Amino acid sequence: DARVTQTPRHKVTEMGQEVTMRCQPILGHNTVFWYRQTMMQGLELLAYFRNRAPLDDSGMPKDRFSAEMPDATLATLKIQPSEPRDSAVYFCASGPDRENVNEQFFGPGTRLTVL
Amino acid sequence: TQLLEQSPQFLSIQEGENLTVYCNSSSVFSSLQWYRQEPGEGPVLLVTVVTGGEVKKLKRLTFQFGDARKDSSLHITAAQPGDTGLYLCAGNSGGYQKVTFGTGTKLQVIP
Repeated sequence: DARVTQTPRHKVTEMGQEVTMRCQPILGHNTVFWYRQTMMQGLELLAYFRNRAPLDDSGMPKDRFSAEMPDATLATLKIQPSEPRDSAVYFCASGPDRENVNEQFFGPGTRLTVL
Repeated sequence: TQLLEQSPQFLSIQEGENLTVYCNSSSVFSSLQWYRQEPGEGPVLLVTVVTGGEVKKLKRLTFQFGDARKDSSLHITAAQPGDTGLYLCAGNSGGYQKVTFGTGTKLQVIP
């Protein structure tokens, strides 16, 4: 049963610390997404990769956030320095490369708390 | 920016009742997906609709894509407590563009 995996599941850190979240997409999926979910804002797209190349990161605060895909089996999202307003659940999703049909399969999320 | 408005925002019903959730936009979508998210989990894909007017059924859930491919509905017959969750629609505007997620409908089915 292929699934997207994310680590860690929970992270509590102090303001100013670096946070790294990792995602292993489903094998064979060519698209990878990073989302942030809060009660107030709902599901926000942070970054979108296709074939490991970034297609859209317009939703990501560039001064502190960065997203990369060092290889096809790993996507990372880093926050440096972290701030309390970054507290949220961060989801990674992957999907097959189908034009006009952008189905996404989500991981369980990383719940981040910045004190 | 494309927007997908879902209604209602919240819905609390008794087990056995029927309900319909709506997903509306002024934009045309090449495809639309519905997801359900349970507390502490990521959204799970339920269905994809592609053709205007298309109707798909998944057990007690019926999904319809509007003729103009700007809106969609999800109808649940005889709701059960296991249907409780956040329902999200998501539209793809074509090509390999990113998906736009709806505002969400939080459903609670009371036993």
